[in-house]
Amino acid sequence: DAGVTQSPTHLIKTRGQQVTLRCSPKSGHDTVSWYQQALGQGPQFIFQYYEEEERQRGNFPDRFSGHQFPNYSSELNVNALLLGDSALYLCASSLEGNEQFFGPGTRLTVL
Amino acid sequence: AQSVAQPEDQVNVAEGNPLTVKCTYSVSGNPYLFWYVQYPNRGLQFLLKYITGDNLVKGSYGFEAEFNKSQTSFHLKKPSALVSDSALYFCAVRDMNNYGQNFVFGPGTRLSVLP
Repeated sequence: DAGVTQSPTHLIKTRGQQVTLRCSPKSGHDTVSWYQQALGQGPQFIFQYYEEEERQRGNFPDRFSGHQFPNYSSELNVNALLLGDSALYLCASSLEGNEQFFGPGTRLTVL
Repeated sequence: AQSVAQPEDQVNVAEGNPLTVKCTYSVSGNPYLFWYVQYPNRGLQFLLKYITGDNLVKGSYGFEAEFNKSQTSFHLKKPSALVSDSALYFCAVRDMNNYGQNFVFGPGTRLSVLP
């Protein structure tokens, strides 16, 4: 079992650009959640996907959007990047609200 | 609304001594509580969880946590700390009866175990 995988590992973008991050959940998991972790802080919930729909959303602007595919994998899209979007983006998968298993994260740097 | 507090930014302990990392929570229903550990440039690793039952929960790497409903606390403990335990520790909570609800994480506590 590969666990939760994320790609890419690192990404450098400039302000105003758009970015897509990808996540494959742990085998057997049907729920994917995305978190933003700024340096020195705890993870902040962005949104959660279940059955290809956004089930819940945190306090993030509409520039942050996502998608879940039939195979449960997921994408996080961020438009019009700001310097403040620089962070570690974590994907977590779970089975119906049980403990979440996290991927290694994607480090996004916005210049 | 759910919330988690970790009152200590940093905990220092000597190798071989017992360690405690504190966590208090607020949730409207019954709590579903977790501890995760994060090593530098890595994602979060699950340590243990409390759902129901015994107030003392045993987890990975010799860690355990004690659930105290009256004090709304879920402190992480280990009888004998190792240098390799040095990392960032996060407590998280979810309302047990709300499957669609997200997990709320605390701000984290940095544990340093000194040789």
